[in-house]
Amino acid sequence: GDSVTQMEGPVTLSEEAFLTINCTYTATGYPSLFWYVQYPGEGLQLLLKATKADDKGSNKGFEATYRKETTSFHLEKGSVQVSDSAVYFCALRQGAQKLVFGQGTRLTINP
Amino acid sequence: ETGVTQSPTHLIKTRGQQVTLRCSSQSGHNTVSWYQQALGQGPQFIFQYYREEENGRGNFPPRFSGLQFPNYSSELNVNALELDDSALYLCASSSADGELFFGEGSRLTVL
Repeated sequence: GDSVTQMEGPVTLSEEAFLTINCTYTATGYPSLFWYVQYPGEGLQLLLKATKADDKGSNKGFEATYRKETTSFHLEKGSVQVSDSAVYFCALRQGAQKLVFGQGTRLTINP
Repeated sequence: ETGVTQSPTHLIKTRGQQVTLRCSSQSGHNTVSWYQQALGQGPQFIFQYYREEENGRGNFPPRFSGLQFPNYSSELNVNALELDDSALYLCASSSADGELFFGEGSRLTVL
């Protein structure tokens, strides 16, 4: 079945550092790809998405590009802030079907 | 426009008991899905309801059941609780093939 694999965490960076969180997927067909963020004590919030190959999703300084040839959707940000500390989930979805999530990556940004 | 609301936010049960979790979907949404998020893991799909009918189910036993009401709100019921059922239960609502909006979850502890 479909699956998502994220880089193992946790990840700790200093403020203003460059961030990359790797995500690869296995899927039949052509899924949509998502990054969700979960702040402490809260539910999931959609951060960005891409629906077809070579699309770039972006929001709040975060970016991810749908790479079909490498089945990847890596999350990047050029300069992280303390407020970016959260758990980040990569996910895929086929049409109107369920979301399939990775295991999550906990990010901590130190001032 | 109100978002997705879940209740209760926290609850504690003992093994063998039954629990009902509730979810009010976002205005205009006719699809509700439920996810289980164990500690340190990504959310796992339980099932989805569309116009009061279950139209997708994940790998969960029959003691996990649900309902969707005419106003599109939903319940998740779990019978014969086990220790491993301890988790954050997330509800998400959407239009038929639209973006999912998540509630903040109900945290269940089974002792």
